[in-house]
Amino acid sequence: GAVVSQHPSRVICKSGTSVKIECRSLDFQATTMFWYRQFPKQSLMLMATSNEGSKATYEQGVEKDKFLINHASLTLSTLTVTSAHPEDSSFYICSAPDRGGHNSPLHFGNGTRLTVT
Amino acid sequence: DQQVKQNSPSLSVQEGRISILNCDYTNSMFDYFLWYKKYPAEGPTFLISISSIKDKNEDGRFTVFLNKSAKHLSLHIVPSQPGDSAVYFCAASALGNEKLTFGTGTRLTIIP
Repeated sequence: GAVVSQHPSRVICKSGTSVKIECRSLDFQATTMFWYRQFPKQSLMLMATSNEGSKATYEQGVEKDKFLINHASLTLSTLTVTSAHPEDSSFYICSAPDRGGHNSPLHFGNGTRLTVT
Repeated sequence: DQQVKQNSPSLSVQEGRISILNCDYTNSMFDYFLWYKKYPAEGPTFLISISSIKDKNEDGRFTVFLNKSAKHLSLHIVPSQPGDSAVYFCAASALGNEKLTFGTGTRLTIIP
């Protein structure tokens, strides 16, 4: 079945540094990828929609300059948390629809646990 | 504003019995609903879905029921197995929109 690979699975960084998270679709092309964030015991919150070849679409309240998204190819999207602060510590998950379009279940990566010290 | 709600944060069920997980939504534009299962330190995996034109969809031990008038859906697992212990998220999307809105999840524990 379709697989979405996300790296790294866990990262610890110092406050003020930047962290890049990669999301790859391994056996299918993903023109769209979604980036979610999950706080403990809370829902998956959509941060932004990554579109291959064009700018990402950010949800309300998400700082686009802080969470840089690049979707350079049909199989790779990256999320860079710039100038990370402790409040950015969270679980970040990417996902992609297999065939695209409405009613296409999302395939999720295994997530990245970011801890900012 | 939480448009998809799972009011039970946790549920414990004896092995072999039926597990019923509930989900309510407020947005009448939602027309497609999904259930995802999530193990610790892993991403969610798709379980089962239902379109608003149906009121029931069954796949093996898993059945999803949709009550549009009540804006309520439920996931039934029978018989429950220890491997079913996980966090279950319901999610919804609106026509023409790939974005999913997730509930807060219900942690299901199957007691051997």
